[in-house]
Amino acid sequence: EAGVAQSPRYKIIEKRQSVAFWCNPISGHATLYWYQQILGQGPKLLIQFQNNGVVDDSQLPKDRFSAERLKGVDSTLKIQPAKLEDSAVYLCASSLGGGGSYEQYFGPGTRLTVT
Amino acid sequence: AQTVTQSQPEMSVQEAETVTLSCTYDTSESNYYLFWYKQPPSRQMILVIRQEAYKQQNATENRFSVNFQKAAKSFSLKISDSQLGDTAMYFCALAGGGADGLTFGKGTHLIIQP
Repeated sequence: EAGVAQSPRYKIIEKRQSVAFWCNPISGHATLYWYQQILGQGPKLLIQFQNNGVVDDSQLPKDRFSAERLKGVDSTLKIQPAKLEDSAVYLCASSLGGGGSYEQYFGPGTRLTVT
Repeated sequence: AQTVTQSQPEMSVQEAETVTLSCTYDTSESNYYLFWYKQPPSRQMILVIRQEAYKQQNATENRFSVNFQKAAKSFSLKISDSQLGDTAMYFCALAGGGADGLTFGKGTHLIIQP
């Protein structure tokens, strides 16, 4: 079974530029999550999708971050414009359903460096 | 709001020893789940073990076991017969019983020395 795929794996941009990350979840997984992991910290949930609808985006900085999940499969996370503090690893995860009763499977992450 | 606290930034033990990682949490939910995730260097996060709060029996997965103290809101991970491959960041995490994402602690860097 193929795992969660993410691209690119690494990205370096200058502040005020825009960037987009892509995630392809495990086939059949209805729930998709984006987490932000700043160096030395645990991941923080940014947004959760159930199929193509948003379940929770309470911690997403909506003035600069946006995310979509078209057709309930792939998802993209965009930052525009980027700030220095956005430097982090962005993790995508998927699960069969939401909540703790379903295991979340994580992708390898995209490491973003903003200079 | 849910919180997860890991008070040990780094631990180091010798191969074959037993090590215990600590975690405390806070939640107002009556139904929730607790997890330990492992993140090896430059590799993906994987689930080590999961505990359902309404189950009194502590979860066990081979060399990994937990000590779940619900009243104290404590959830520690014990690794027996530690191996070099256990070297990684270990994150304690919490999810509610609804459609919640995970709330993570800051992690413990575990180093297994040969």
